Amino acid sequence: DIQMAQSPSSLSASVGDRVTITCRASQSVSSYLSWYQHKPGRAPKLLIYSASSLQSEVPSRFSGSGSGTDFTLTVSSLHPEDFATYYCQQSYSTPYTFGQGTKLEIK
Amino acid sequence: QVRLQESGPGLVKPSETLSLTCTVSGASISSFYWNWIRQPAGKGLEWIGRIYTSGNTNYNPSLKSRVSMSVDRSKNQFFLNLRSVTAADTAVYYCARAYVSGSYDYFDSWGQGTLVTVSS
Repeated sequence: DIQMAQSPSSLSASVGDRVTITCRASQSVSSYLSWYQHKPGRAPKLLIYSASSLQSEVPSRFSGSGSGTDFTLTVSSLHPEDFATYYCQQSYSTPYTFGQGTKLEIK
Repeated sequence: QVRLQESGPGLVKPSETLSLTCTVSGASISSFYWNWIRQPAGKGLEWIGRIYTSGNTNYNPSLKSRVSMSVDRSKNQFFLNLRSVTAADTAVYYCARAYVSGSYDYFDSWGQGTLVTVSS
């Protein structure tokens, strides 16, 4: 199985801050990498697919980059509704695997 | 807009079978991969497996001996059965659609999730 490691596991930030979350794969996943936002009691929401493509209706303050084994999710200016847990996920090969999550909290 | 809704018992006894249904509305179940994903309390997301509308399946090897999935196109539903459950199978279970674009696929629509507790 391909292991996905996210860092940091938690992050405190303020509204308006720029934040970056990293995701590292245990082997190359090319650009088969997605990012999801998850709030308690809600359905996870797709933000980024193919490493850098913005899902429809997702605000442009979210961006993704990387290929191979190293990826980043950046929020250019945090809004109050962005405080949530974020997961990366590889779809290069089954079994599909997720990172352990990064919990973004309000400072 | 496609919507997915999980349903099934919230409590299952150890050694019994966990059975869940995902009902899809707002889109046809045809021509997509339909997935089950779970999240134990305080842990990350685990992909259980997927089924195509033709009936072809892929399962996580860690669960393969206990999992089966099926689809009912007439009802726009797909199903999960997990046999011989233990407390380790207690989790929130999600169903999700995998949208395929070229060689890429990603989970573009998810259900809200349903908590299944394994306990006697």
